[in-house]
Order: sequence, then C-alpha cells, then structure tokens
Amino acid sequence: DTEVTQTPKHLVMGMTNKKSLKCEQHMGHRAMYWYKQKAKKPPELMFVYSYEKLSINESVPSRFSPECPNSSLLNLHLHALQPEDSALYLCASSQAGTGAQPQHFGDGTRLSIL
Amino acid sequence: GQQLNQSPQSMFIQEGEDVSMNCTSSSIFNTWLWYKQDPGEGPVLLIALYKAGELTSNGRLTAQFGITRKDSFLNISASIPSDVGIYFCAGHFGNEKLTFGTGTRLTIIP
Repeated sequence: DTEVTQTPKHLVMGMTNKKSLKCEQHMGHRAMYWYKQKAKKPPELMFVYSYEKLSINESVPSRFSPECPNSSLLNLHLHALQPEDSALYLCASSQAGTGAQPQHFGDGTRLSIL
Repeated sequence: GQQLNQSPQSMFIQEGEDVSMNCTSSSIFNTWLWYKQDPGEGPVLLIALYKAGELTSNGRLTAQFGITRKDSFLNISASIPSDVGIYFCAGHFGNEKLTFGTGTRLTIIP
C-alpha cells in the first residue's frame, strides 16, 4: 500500500469543467510534487512545494493551479483543460532540504478530457 | 539539460532468468534511484544509492552507483511473474529536479 494517497483514482471531465485532484501524505515530508505521465513515458515534473511554498513551476499552463493548504495536503485545481492534458497525474513527497531525498509516489489520478 | 539513457528499452525473458538493465548520463549525479511501476499504479521505490561505487541489494534486486557517477545498473536474479512492469532509473544532482530515465519494460514469457 502506498503512503501517498491520491483521489480520485479516475476522473473524466469536459473542457469547460472545473475539478480538483487531491493528494495526502502522513510521513512528515515537507516537499511535495505534481507530475504528469503519458503512456509509456517517464513522469514529467510540473510543480514542487517545499515547506508549503511553491518552489518550482516547470512552465506549466495556468489552467493547472496547485495549492498546498498544509504540510500533508496538496491539491491541483483544473480548469478549461485540453484533450492533450489527458494523462496520469502523480503526486509524490519527500523529506525537504537537498535534492538527495527519495520521492515516494501515490498511485495517481487517471484524467480523461472529453 | 541532463538526460538519462536507459537500456534496454524492453526485455522478454523466461521465468527464472536473471535480468540486467542500466542507465547512463552525460552528467554526474549525486543520487541514483530505481523505481518499478505496475499498470495503473505509481512508481514504487526499489533502491536508493547515495555514493559512487555503492552496491546495494533489496532481496533479489541489486543496484550499483557507477564510479564515474554517470551510470547505474539494476540486476534482478531468478525473475518471477510479479517482476513484470516498467523499471525507471532516476538521478538527482544538488537541488535540481529528479531526472528520469526512459524506462525498461520487462515481460516474462510463459
């Protein structure tokens, strides 16, 4: 069982909908990440939060809006997505500080845009 | 930016065979990680390597951090059906983001 919990597991939405992906961890990690993964490809980093502050935005379109309400929770708000945004969205967490700490992943949200 | 070349891209083996895969980089890394991803799930950390030359085992899995800091390999001994999946290497340098390899898809032939 993964220690990083993501909900929902699957999400189908239209291009005009607004939805949110949620991620929760209780390992005391202070760094949290959002990744996008297309089929048969490695995960691609989207955002990094360190101590609840956004530290990296990999030039992600503004239709994706991250939020870190507290040290255990990470949200990704979605609005006006495009069909090419259909993918597996993975959340990960790690000890904060240097980049040498292993990241632990959730099982992802499979997102389909109609 | 840094790139990780992972090989082979795919492997078709029989149950009981040993498996070897590797990752090479054009730049050095301070940390090498190996993950396995099953269909419909997220990557699961298998082994973390922190020091050049380090050799670490986790059950039937063994991984090494290359002396040059530009490569790493993962060996699986006596493969079993649950070893099927995609294996990713990943590397860290300083505070930079985690860089993933292109993945090795392992299939076991009945």
